[in-house]
Amino acid sequence: QSALTQPPSVSGSPGQSVTISCSGTSSDVGYYDYVSWYQQSPGTAPKLMIFEVNNRPSGVPDRFSGSKSGNTASLTISGLQADDEADYYCCSYTKRATWVFGGGTKLTVL
Amino acid sequence: QVQLEESGGGVVQPGGSLTLSCKASGFTFERHPMHWVRQAPGKGLEWVARISHDAKFKSNGDSVTGRFTISRDNSENTLYLQMNSLRIEDTAVYFCAKDLPDGYAFDFWGQGALVTVSS
Repeated sequence: QSALTQPPSVSGSPGQSVTISCSGTSSDVGYYDYVSWYQQSPGTAPKLMIFEVNNRPSGVPDRFSGSKSGNTASLTISGLQADDEADYYCCSYTKRATWVFGGGTKLTVL
Repeated sequence: QVQLEESGGGVVQPGGSLTLSCKASGFTFERHPMHWVRQAPGKGLEWVARISHDAKFKSNGDSVTGRFTISRDNSENTLYLQMNSLRIEDTAVYFCAKDLPDGYAFDFWGQGALVTVSS
């Protein structure tokens, strides 16, 4: 199972919006609406930010939103804040009943 | 509040074995599937294995098939990962994670246990 494809890095200024893409295949991202996104700061555990493509767990700001089209999912962060700076990972449940992560994207807030 | 605490990490030689534990609290452990996810130094996340709430169903990633075994003791609220035939490329921080109900995601994570495979 190959990892999902994410850009290595994205950046934006405070207040701006950024979008992180996550490209998979018809056997994972395109097969189910079970895409999730995680935020990870250095030395800490990942934190769930989005599940089932576009649902936010309690406590996650509505500045974070998700979407999916075909085999590609996206995470959009609007109104960028300094503490959004972190690594972001997408993850998809697959038709083989396994999970596959993306390679991760480092978000820099300029 | 949900807490997951891994233990059992350490340094092991290639070909060796190690067992990780994950003690859970703050939720009804026996009702929830659980996962192991790992992260090699400076690298991304990799899903390792999942076990159903009642331990009847298990699945794992291709890279650990035949070498790693996930298990649980619901009476002790503890998740395990038995790792055999360890390879240098198994060096990673191993996180246990709780399954989001019906969400096919991981809603709570432990802080991780470092496993180093080195001669």
